[in-house]
Amino acid sequence: EVQLVETGGGLVQPGRSLKLSCVASGFTFNNYWMSWTRQAPGKGLEWVASITNSGGSTYYPDSVKGRFTISRDNAQNTLYLQMNSLRSEDTATYYCTRDGTYASYFDYWGQGVMVTVSS
Amino acid sequence: DVVLTQSPATLSVTPGERISLSCRASESVDTYLHWYQQKPNESPRLLIKYASQSISGIPSRFSGSGSGTDFTLSINGVELEDLSIYYCQQGNSLPYTFGAGTKLELK
Repeated sequence: EVQLVETGGGLVQPGRSLKLSCVASGFTFNNYWMSWTRQAPGKGLEWVASITNSGGSTYYPDSVKGRFTISRDNAQNTLYLQMNSLRSEDTATYYCTRDGTYASYFDYWGQGVMVTVSS
Repeated sequence: DVVLTQSPATLSVTPGERISLSCRASESVDTYLHWYQQKPNESPRLLIKYASQSISGIPSRFSGSGSGTDFTLSINGVELEDLSIYYCQQGNSLPYTFGAGTKLELK
């Protein structure tokens, strides 16, 4: 059974940093691209970052580029999201997702972790 | 960026009826269009991939169609457990984008 378990969320002040982790199990982690997607309270879904299976390439939308960094440790089956210079608009539930074939879609989602950016 | 427009925003349904939800892309996404269901207080789950391909474990009453810019998610015989928000997502080009969602509610 595929499982994705996120940790690391919480309340953080604007301008500060936070690092999310996602431990994966039930599949061969280093065979899959992985991503983070977020959902602001009461809002829709927004893709945040993706990383290739080797970790050699990463991709971001303009809204987080230069502030967020996605990374992975294939030996530990763990995905990370380092979030710097946080803004109030980054307040959201962050989901760790496994990417499907050719990385076009997200076939498994974690339970999500809440990040609140507020003073 | 590819903008996905979903309609209607809200749909009131009666159990047993057949319904269709629309997703329109601002430019062609070929068949790189995927559908997700999100029940209240749950994570999204993948329903349909590549516009019309079924997903293991998803009830057969869910089906998808379309290509290019116009896509449809159909539910043949809505059940109470289907009352959720449905999102489309394009994976044809970066940044990946989602529609704003269609909420199914009970009539």
